[in-house]
Amino acid sequence: EPEVTQTPSHQVTQMGQEVILRCVPISNHLYFYWYRQILGQKVEFLVSFYNNEISEKSEIFDDQFSVERPDGSNFTLKIRSTKLEDSAMYFCASDLRTGLYNEQFFGPGTRLTVL
Amino acid sequence: GESVGLHLPTLSVQEGDNSIINCAYSNSASDYFIWYKQESGKGPQFIIDIRSNMDKRQGQRVTVLLNKTVKHLSLQIAATQPGDSAVYFCAERTSGSRLTFGEGTQLTVNP
Repeated sequence: EPEVTQTPSHQVTQMGQEVILRCVPISNHLYFYWYRQILGQKVEFLVSFYNNEISEKSEIFDDQFSVERPDGSNFTLKIRSTKLEDSAMYFCASDLRTGLYNEQFFGPGTRLTVL
Repeated sequence: GESVGLHLPTLSVQEGDNSIINCAYSNSASDYFIWYKQESGKGPQFIIDIRSNMDKRQGQRVTVLLNKTVKHLSLQIAATQPGDSAVYFCAERTSGSRLTFGEGTQLTVNP
């Protein structure tokens, strides 16, 4: 069964450093997402991406964040200058959207720890 | 066993019992709802979905009920098994593509 994959599984960085989280969505999917989950809290939407541009973003997704689909398979989330409060699990998701309702398939996540 | 809204974050049941996990969603304009299961260290896993024009949908051992009048969603798991132990999130989609997740309920199944 196809699945969303994410690398690395765990990223440790110093405050102020840039990080890039990587995702490979399911190959025929067209819509891509990033969510985050601070430890013990609910999953929060960050951004959605379709046709090589951001289609929707949340208030969390400020100028420090950017997304990119550099090639036909990868989807990345960059945090330019990490803060302590960026420590969280980051989940990538994708869906096909053939109709009005499509489940989003989630990857296993990247645990980001900012020291 | 049954959880009450988002204020009871844990639900403990005996193996073989039926479980009911409840969720109060926030936006009456939401048109699509999903239940996700999240095991420790893993990403959310789709369980079942329901559209706003339905009030009940059944899957294998799971049933989702939607009450739009009171903005309430529930997940029923029949014959709960130890492998069902996880955190369960409801999620709603209001517009566009974003999912808004609820707080989550930790289900523990005792053998």
